[in-house]
This record gives sequence, C-alpha cells and structure tokens, in this order.
Amino acid sequence: ETGVTQTPRHLVMGMTNKKSLKCEQHLGHNAMYWYKQSAKKPLELMFVYSLEERVENNSVPSRFSPECPNSSHLFLHLHTLQPEDSALYLCASSQEMRNQPQHFGDGTRLSIL
Amino acid sequence: QKEVEQNSGPLSVPEGAIASLNCTYSDRGSQSFFWYRQYSGKSPELIMSIYSNGDKEDGRFTAQLNKASQYVSLLIRDSQPSDSATYLCAVRKSGYALNFGKGTSLLVTP
Repeated sequence: ETGVTQTPRHLVMGMTNKKSLKCEQHLGHNAMYWYKQSAKKPLELMFVYSLEERVENNSVPSRFSPECPNSSHLFLHLHTLQPEDSALYLCASSQEMRNQPQHFGDGTRLSIL
Repeated sequence: QKEVEQNSGPLSVPEGAIASLNCTYSDRGSQSFFWYRQYSGKSPELIMSIYSNGDKEDGRFTAQLNKASQYVSLLIRDSQPSDSATYLCAVRKSGYALNFGKGTSLLVTP
C-alpha cells in the first residue's frame, strides 16, 4: 500500500470550475504538506499542517484553499484558477520533528483550460 | 542568491561508473539535508538524509556534508541505467519548510 495516496492523478478544469484534490497518508505521520511543481522550477511549498493546524502559508493566492480535517487527510480546494496554475501538485507527510524527511504522494497533474 | 543550487545537467555517466551530484546552500543555519530521486512523471522518492558533517553510506549511495563550505553531495557507485532520473537536493533551515533545488538530471548510459 502506498504510504501517501493522492486523488485524482490527473485533473483538467476550466477557470470557472471548483474542484478539490485529496491526499491521504497511511504512515502515522502528523504533519502534512502541499507543494507545487512547475516545469523548470524548484518545488514550491504551499501549505503546512501540523497536528491539523496550519503552520505555514507561503503567500499562496486565495483561489487555493487547504483543509486538514485530521492528521491522515489533507485537501486542496481549487476555484477560479488561472492557466499559470497548471502544474503537478504534490502532497507530503512527515513526523512532527523537524529533522524528519518528508514522504511524497504521486501527485495530481492539473491542467487549467 | 538562490537558497539551494544544483547544476541542472544533464550529467551523463557510463554504466558502472561513479556519479557525483553536488548541491550548495546559502543559509548557514541549515540543519537537515536530503536527497530525493524523481523519475519523469513520478513523485520525489527519498534516497538519503544527512544531518552532520562527514559521509553517510547506504548501499551504492553516499551522502557527503560539509557545513563550513555549505556543500552537500551524493555519490552513486556502480551506476545503473535505472539510476537515470532527476536528483533533488532539499535543505531545511528551521521550521517545517524544505527548500529544494531545481534538480540535476542524471543519465546513465549502457
């Protein structure tokens, strides 16, 4: 069983649509992360949740709205996205100790029409 | 100055050779260092973590850290075509955030 599972794997949406990305981790971790990976750019951290509380928000536009209902699940709600938001969105999890590595899901490839 | 810098490559090595991947970082307060491997279209996979100066070996992989020079490297011995991927260097200074480099593309030729 994959440690971090993301759905859907691929998503195509129009700029006026609303959709959600889902992430579930089976590793017993208590910190979860959303990253954006665009072509030829480093992975960009979007949000961090630790013990279900948002601890970091890296100046992400409000059209991205995260939700962490418990330590195993993380959502990213999307609305009114722009073409430049097309990217690979990666979820990761780790133990809530700061030298612990993060483990990534397979990502959602998002395309905005 | 970019926080984490890597040569984008591609780095091409023959099968069986040693591949050497390098990374420099700007923040002297950085505490944790990680190497991830990412195949095309896939997610990053943790290869190595290192926290103190010196070498750390795991199978064919050796991570090297020199905090004085703000330099971390990954050596892959007996390189195989299956090692062909992009290798991401990640550095944590404080808090939860990992700062990633853009990655080095490695090509191992048969």
